Amino acid sequence: EIVLTQSPGTLSLSPGQRATLSCRASQSIRRHLAWYQQKPGQAPRLLFYDASSRGTGTPARFSGSGSGTDFTLTISSLEPEDFAVYYCQQRSDWPWTFGQGTKVEIK
Amino acid sequence: QVQLVQSGAEVGKPGASVKISCEASGYTFTSYYMHWVRQAPGQGLEWMGMVNPNGGSTKYAQKFQGRVTMTRDTSMRTVSMELTGLRFEDTAIYYCARDMSGTTPEYFEYWGQGTLVTVSS
Repeated sequence: EIVLTQSPGTLSLSPGQRATLSCRASQSIRRHLAWYQQKPGQAPRLLFYDASSRGTGTPARFSGSGSGTDFTLTISSLEPEDFAVYYCQQRSDWPWTFGQGTKVEIK
Repeated sequence: QVQLVQSGAEVGKPGASVKISCEASGYTFTSYYMHWVRQAPGQGLEWMGMVNPNGGSTKYAQKFQGRVTMTRDTSMRTVSMELTGLRFEDTAIYYCARDMSGTTPEYFEYWGQGTLVTVSS
């Protein structure tokens, strides 16, 4: 099973700051990675697929990058609605797996 | 617009079974795989498996093999997930999630609202 390790566990930032979230895979997953945003009490929302392809409605301040084993989700300037938990997910091999999540909280 | 509406909360005893449904609308039902993902309280996301509404074939995470059954009813545009042999650690919100691709399974683009399953004696 491919293990995805996200770091940091929690990111404490202020609105307007830049957020950089990492997801590392236990083996190469090429670019078969997605990022999801989840707010309390809501289902996750697809932000990026295939590492850097933007999902429907994903704002331009979000960007995804990486390939192989190292991936990054960047939020260039945090808006109040961006404070949430972010998960990465791989579809390279079965079973599909998620990272444990990074919480972006208001400092 | 695509909508996935799940059945209501369930409570089950250890060893019992639970069956959750997910009614789809707004797209061609048989064209997209449907997945089930669960989330224990305060925890992360876990993929359980998927069903192909076009033919009914399934693929399950090995962790759930033998305990989970995913089915579809094309006339009702509904997929269902039954979990047997409930354990306390099965307490979670269960989501159905429609795949984004109409060819091979890829990612989870649309999600249901979630169904809370509580295992309690």
